[in-house]
Amino acid sequence: QKEVEQNSGPLSVPEGAIASLNCTYSDRGSQSFFWYRQYSGKSPELIMSIYSNGDKEDGRFTAQLNKASQYVSLLIRDSQPSDSATYLCAVNILSSARQLTFGSGTQLTVLP
Amino acid sequence: EAQVTQNPRYLITVTGKKLTVTCSQNMNHEYMSWYRQDPGLGLRQIYYSMNVEVTDKGDVPEGYKVSRKEKRNFPLILESPSPNQTSLYFCASSLAGGWDEQFFGPGTRLTVL
Repeated sequence: QKEVEQNSGPLSVPEGAIASLNCTYSDRGSQSFFWYRQYSGKSPELIMSIYSNGDKEDGRFTAQLNKASQYVSLLIRDSQPSDSATYLCAVNILSSARQLTFGSGTQLTVLP
Repeated sequence: EAQVTQNPRYLITVTGKKLTVTCSQNMNHEYMSWYRQDPGLGLRQIYYSMNVEVTDKGDVPEGYKVSRKEKRNFPLILESPSPNQTSLYFCASSLAGGWDEQFFGPGTRLTVL
């Protein structure tokens, strides 16, 4: 089992809809969770970090963390074509506390 | 401007010819790391460094070397590149390692023939 798994997609949503991206992780002791966005040909950039159970909102983005079920999700409300990118989930695995482990990413396309 | 720089951005080389990809950050970050990105496999960590003269293996260190002689620089060395090292490479830095936001360089696309 991979340590961090994401739906590989691709995921397509119409403009204005809610995009839902999911990520599961294997290490129950993980403490830090991140969502990065990567446009084609560009480097990843952080859009959300979350450290405790529950929801964290930042503009149109909401990260949700459920440590008991070992998943973290990202909701994008009012999706825009400019949100079309690959979204990478990253988890600080407790067994390798200095490292960050990335999922393989979910490619999102927002259709005008 | 706070940034991570990498050079070269693109490199085509041949099997066995030693190469170095440089990485530099101007944010005084303690932690630096190298990733490779391959289709379907996401970002995989090659090496990381918690501080000057302190380096450690990531998930895919075979065939790579690193050094951290200065806080700002963290070069990646391929002493005898092979075609399976053809990939997109990213350098990253952060204040506090895996617990913190990573700042990525622009990437180096390497092709080994």
